[in-house]
Amino acid sequence: GAGVSQSPRYKVTKRGQDVTLRCDPISSHATLYWYQQALGQGPEFLTYFNYEAQPDKSGLPSDRFSAERPEGSISTLTIQRTEQRDSAMYRCASSLGASSTDTQYFGPGTRLTVL
Amino acid sequence: QQQVKQSPQSLIVQKGGISIINCAYENTAFDYFPWYQQFPGKGPALLIAIRPDVSEKKEGRFTISFNKSAKQFSLHIMDSQPGDSATYFCAAKKGGSEKLVFGKGMKLTVNP
Repeated sequence: GAGVSQSPRYKVTKRGQDVTLRCDPISSHATLYWYQQALGQGPEFLTYFNYEAQPDKSGLPSDRFSAERPEGSISTLTIQRTEQRDSAMYRCASSLGASSTDTQYFGPGTRLTVL
Repeated sequence: QQQVKQSPQSLIVQKGGISIINCAYENTAFDYFPWYQQFPGKGPALLIAIRPDVSEKKEGRFTISFNKSAKQFSLHIMDSQPGDSATYFCAAKKGGSEKLVFGKGMKLTVNP
């Protein structure tokens, strides 16, 4: 595709509900990343995939957070039993490969608000 | 513990002026230092990046200066334009890791 796309762009949910966010990476990109960005802060790494493998999920804040990329393309980030502190912008990025200098291309993000 | 510290938090310059954004890091294992530019409503986009084996890299009006001994790097925007008004993030990555560590960002406003 032309770029990284994310859906929905905005999500409002009530505390305790589960939410699933979707990321469509650039079609030729093997590596996909998830970040959480609080207002006025830089993105914070959550996890990444190399195709369908998930080598690093050290940034996931708790076991309520999980991510999948079952066929090595589209990825989902699921937050179970949402809490107000989960409110943030969730950004997905993709890169051609897992080389340390491969450019990460970011999507527009999903703004999550937990009431 | 913030691994990459960015300053200032905001900056206002006049058109044609020089904008300078500074970053400091602690982890000497970092070996890749990109700068990202983010416009409102958009995701961050890579602007320019440097490895520690060089002290300076220039691309058009944008220059990264790198000081390995001081563990600092900075972005200079020459002849700043109103279209440069955005939030700028410095970041760093360790060799062998895919984890980009970002600074808090700096909001640049270039007045016409």
